[in-house]
Amino acid sequence: EDQVTQSPEALRLQEGESSSLNCSYTVSGLRGLFWYRQDPGKGPEFLFTLYSAGEEKEKERLKATLTKKESFLHITAPKPEDSATYLCAARLPIQGAQKLVFGQGTRLTINP
Amino acid sequence: GAVVSQHPSRVICKSGTSVKIECRSLDFQATTMFWYRQFPKQSLMLMATSNEGSKATYEQGVEKDKFLINHASLTLSTLTVTSAHPEDSSFYICSARDPGDMGGYTFGSGTRLTVV
Repeated sequence: EDQVTQSPEALRLQEGESSSLNCSYTVSGLRGLFWYRQDPGKGPEFLFTLYSAGEEKEKERLKATLTKKESFLHITAPKPEDSATYLCAARLPIQGAQKLVFGQGTRLTINP
Repeated sequence: GAVVSQHPSRVICKSGTSVKIECRSLDFQATTMFWYRQFPKQSLMLMATSNEGSKATYEQGVEKDKFLINHASLTLSTLTVTSAHPEDSSFYICSARDPGDMGGYTFGSGTRLTVV
């Protein structure tokens, strides 16, 4: 069964304390691994798409990497405004269509 | 970048009534849109795929007669929750893929439905 699992479920960091969020996937036919940020009561905001193992993308304090089994979202010197839930999703060909399968998310809190 | 507009952002309705949620792609055409449901502190669960000019494709376990989807144009999809009950209370989110947006899926801002 296709599965996307994120860890940890929740993470509290002090401002400036770097860390990494994990997204592991057991899927067949991956057509892209997506990272999103979601603030409470809002829709997900697109961050990155990764397509092949070894690929890396950066945006401000965030860097996403991809291997054949997992993806990491590295956050460097985070600020309180980086507090949010971070979601990863795998795009899969399912029944002739391409669909996103989401992990359960990591709730990140950055304390000032 | 691509923008998906979703309305209303919040709605409260009485049990047994119907509620319509609109999802519009503002600066691109979307032949396919997706509807998700999200319970508190849980992830997004795909409910259905909305196809312009044809019937929606529903995920297993989603009642097509309760969650009516209409995709009448290349920029508008609607989700109607019929005969709503308190257990239908949730956060509903739509999304569309912008072909020019590095393959990314753009999401609406979500609709918080409360059935009383």
